[in-house]
Amino acid sequence: SQQGEEDPQALSIQEGENATMNCSYKTSINNLQWYRQNSGRGLVHLILIRSNEREKHSGRLRVTLDTSKKSSSLLITASRAADTASYFCATDNQAGTALIFGKGTTLSVSS
Amino acid sequence: DAGITQSPRHKVTETGTPVTLRCHQTENHRYMYWYRQDPGHGLRLIHYSYGVKDTDKGEVSDGYSVSRSKTEDFLLTLESATSSQTSVYFCATEKGGAFDTQYFGPGTRLTVL
Repeated sequence: SQQGEEDPQALSIQEGENATMNCSYKTSINNLQWYRQNSGRGLVHLILIRSNEREKHSGRLRVTLDTSKKSSSLLITASRAADTASYFCATDNQAGTALIFGKGTTLSVSS
Repeated sequence: DAGITQSPRHKVTETGTPVTLRCHQTENHRYMYWYRQDPGHGLRLIHYSYGVKDTDKGEVSDGYSVSRSKTEDFLLTLESATSSQTSVYFCATEKGGAFDTQYFGPGTRLTVL
């Protein structure tokens, strides 16, 4: 069963623009994570935000978490062509035994 | 890539044959996971392991079994492959326990004809 769902499914922007992706989930969580997947590769962890945190930064990445709305957003500032990838959010499942991944947002950054 | 390798990287097999995929890690992470990735479904958990010989089912475990006899190796077996099991399979490890960062292998592309 799907816990996190990303929005939009696809996003196309120009280099230098900011990219914002959203994730909504259904039940309470311990933390929420964002991962990136380049075409044909495995997922790479980007950032983890705990349920008691509201915002977290890592380089050009900014993640926010609103537990009252059960949503998170990932902002990539000053996008580069190398940011072209699929981005997934992941939250713990209701049983508390594993991460559940969303279907992802596909980001295309053109130069 | 946290020292995770998967073998084989590509495999084509026929319906009804058994297939074993291997995940090997050098990080001494306690937790290991097998996922499958399909268009329109994202990543779905097949089985996971929380220690040597300790495994449990995930969301889509039917038709799959796993074994973990050593910390570093986690095997996924398709008992009798079907075309619906054509997918990309990813192994992941996790150091500290549930909800921690997961590290992914490069994936195995399996085609069942």
